[in-house]
Amino acid sequence: KQEVTQIPAALSVPEGENLVLNCSFTDSAIYNLQWFRQDPGKGLTSLLLIQSSQREQTSGRLNASLDKSSGRSTLYIAASQPGDSATYLCAVTGTYKYIFGTGTRLKVLA
Amino acid sequence: DVKVTQSSRYLVKRTGEKVFLECVQDMDHENMFWYRQDPGLGLRLIYFSYDVKMKEKGDIPEGYSVSREKKERFSLILESASTNQTSMYLCASRNMDRTNEKLLFGSGTQLSVL
Repeated sequence: KQEVTQIPAALSVPEGENLVLNCSFTDSAIYNLQWFRQDPGKGLTSLLLIQSSQREQTSGRLNASLDKSSGRSTLYIAASQPGDSATYLCAVTGTYKYIFGTGTRLKVLA
Repeated sequence: DVKVTQSSRYLVKRTGEKVFLECVQDMDHENMFWYRQDPGLGLRLIYFSYDVKMKEKGDIPEGYSVSREKKERFSLILESASTNQTSMYLCASRNMDRTNEKLLFGSGTQLSVL
């Protein structure tokens, strides 16, 4: 059974730092991996999608990498800002179902 | 902007009531999903639909049913609401275009059952 783990559960950093969020999964037979952001009391906003044949995706200050063989993905945030404060979740998928991690709660201090 | 719209942002219902949560997407997506999100438990799949009139149980379907009569609309029904169904409910949709399979979420419905 696929399990997705995100460590750490919470993280506080000063503004301007570059940071890395981690996502691990137990079964490497995934179809794709997606990173989301969730603000308190809101829905999830899609950040980046990496298909299983890809190694990384970039959008602005965000870069996500995927290493299927080791069951890991990382989300790199460059030059963090207070507006980046949110919970970040990763999800892996087979054909239909998505398995979500429990998220990393990020706080960027001004 | 393409979007997934959930009809209510907040909802308060009484125990035993029949509750309808509506979700509409304007992207012509084939797949639609209903999740609930609870602190410490993360997102759990209730039901999903891979096309019109098609539905599959997720991990926690007990106490819920769904309806998908039109491609753009996926409804979640709580047959007889109970206090343990107090939760954040999230609808999502996805197309099957292999070049763009992003899962897109609505803004959520916070349901309180008293």
